[in-house]
Amino acid sequence: QVQLQESGPGLVKPSQTLSLTCTVSGGSISSGGYYWSWIRQHPGKGLEWIGYIYYSGSTYYNPSLKSRVTISVDTSKNQFSLKLSSVTAADTAVYYCARDVRGWADYWGQGTLVTVSS
Amino acid sequence: DIQMTQSPSTLSASVGDRVTITCRASQSISSWLAWYQQKPGKAPKLLIYKASSLESGVPSRFSGSGSGTEFTLTISSLQPDDFATYYCQQYNSIRTFGQGTKVEIK
Repeated sequence: QVQLQESGPGLVKPSQTLSLTCTVSGGSISSGGYYWSWIRQHPGKGLEWIGYIYYSGSTYYNPSLKSRVTISVDTSKNQFSLKLSSVTAADTAVYYCARDVRGWADYWGQGTLVTVSS
Repeated sequence: DIQMTQSPSTLSASVGDRVTITCRASQSISSWLAWYQQKPGKAPKLLIYKASSLESGVPSRFSGSGSGTEFTLTISSLQPDDFATYYCQQYNSIRTFGQGTKVEIK
């Protein structure tokens, strides 16, 4: 059973960089066949796809966030990470990591709330 | 960008009702559509992929249909565990979610 777990600071100051890591267990990122995604949900709102990475390091980002987003992978630790720069209050959200099976997400982390505030 | 529009935004229904949620794409996405169920404080759960394929372990009362720009999620007989918010998501071009449909108790 694949499991994903997000970790990182729950509070980030405006203009700083949000950094989160997703640790995958029960399956290997480097086995291929899947994309590894970040998705966020603003409080009380819908879902917004941020981007994904393949084990090889290939990435694809939501154009609306592309200038501020970096997703990286560490296959030795079976982890992938999200960095979002120059954050504002509008980036306050629950951030989810998920396994993307050619388009749909079949396994999700529990989500982690990140608040942007001074 | 492909926009996804769900209707209704909120749906009031009773246990045993047949429920249908509609998702429309701003351009054709073939059958590249998934449906998710989300309960408060929880991550979304995959129900349907490729418009009509039922994810393993999901009850058969859930079904999906459609292609092109119009899709539906149907719950044949609503159960107490089904009161939740439902999202569609296209993956024809990157990924975009609908705004969600909340199914509440009538």
